[in-house]
Amino acid sequence: QVQLVQSGGGVVQSGKSLRLSCAASGFVFSNYGMHWVRQAPGRGLEWLALIWFDGNVQHYADSVKGRFTVSRDNSKSTLFLHIASLRGDDSATYYCGRDMWGTPHSYFYGLDVWGQGTTVTVSS
Amino acid sequence: QSALTQPPSASGSPGQSVTISCTGTRSDIGDHNSVSWYQCHPGKAPKLVIYEVSKRPSGVPDRFSASKSGNTASLTVSGLQPEDEADYYCSSYTGSNSLIFGGGTRVTVL
Repeated sequence: QVQLVQSGGGVVQSGKSLRLSCAASGFVFSNYGMHWVRQAPGRGLEWLALIWFDGNVQHYADSVKGRFTVSRDNSKSTLFLHIASLRGDDSATYYCGRDMWGTPHSYFYGLDVWGQGTTVTVSS
Repeated sequence: QSALTQPPSASGSPGQSVTISCTGTRSDIGDHNSVSWYQCHPGKAPKLVIYEVSKRPSGVPDRFSASKSGNTASLTVSGLQPEDEADYYCSSYTGSNSLIFGGGTRVTVL
């Protein structure tokens, strides 16, 4: 079935880096744009980034631009999020999500498949 | 850009209806038919219940309906059931290659 399975979270020291992964199955991964969204404890959802189906274009929330990098390996149907210089306010559950439309023209109109989430805790 | 504005809470008895508002600006909700709604149960991944303002993905009960007027979108859950108790988030395209979420509304089934 269509699913996204996430890995890579954990407890990380402040200032370090971390890479999150999101493995896709059950659909043609290379046809879809993919997003990262996070939810800090007791807070709402925050959109972080989008990468186009082919990996050639990335868009970021202003709050993470310069520290977060989204990438993908279509040959392995896997999405990545690299987080540099981790800070306390990066502690959150991170979700990957599939953009429901296959064309960049219609990106941002809905995320129809979500990963199970992975928790990142930044320790000082 | 600030989050879309949602009421923090809403409630209703089983069988009743509850409506949640989501207010943005002309740049996001007003100019784009891109409003989505997500249902979030604690410890679980968000679930898309409405896309493109008023469309329901397959498998979502028709008790869920939504609309938009100007810069405000609304989600209505009719015939409330215990499993509808959850946090609900709206989202919209911002018009500048980003997505914005609402602050979330906790729906309680009394």
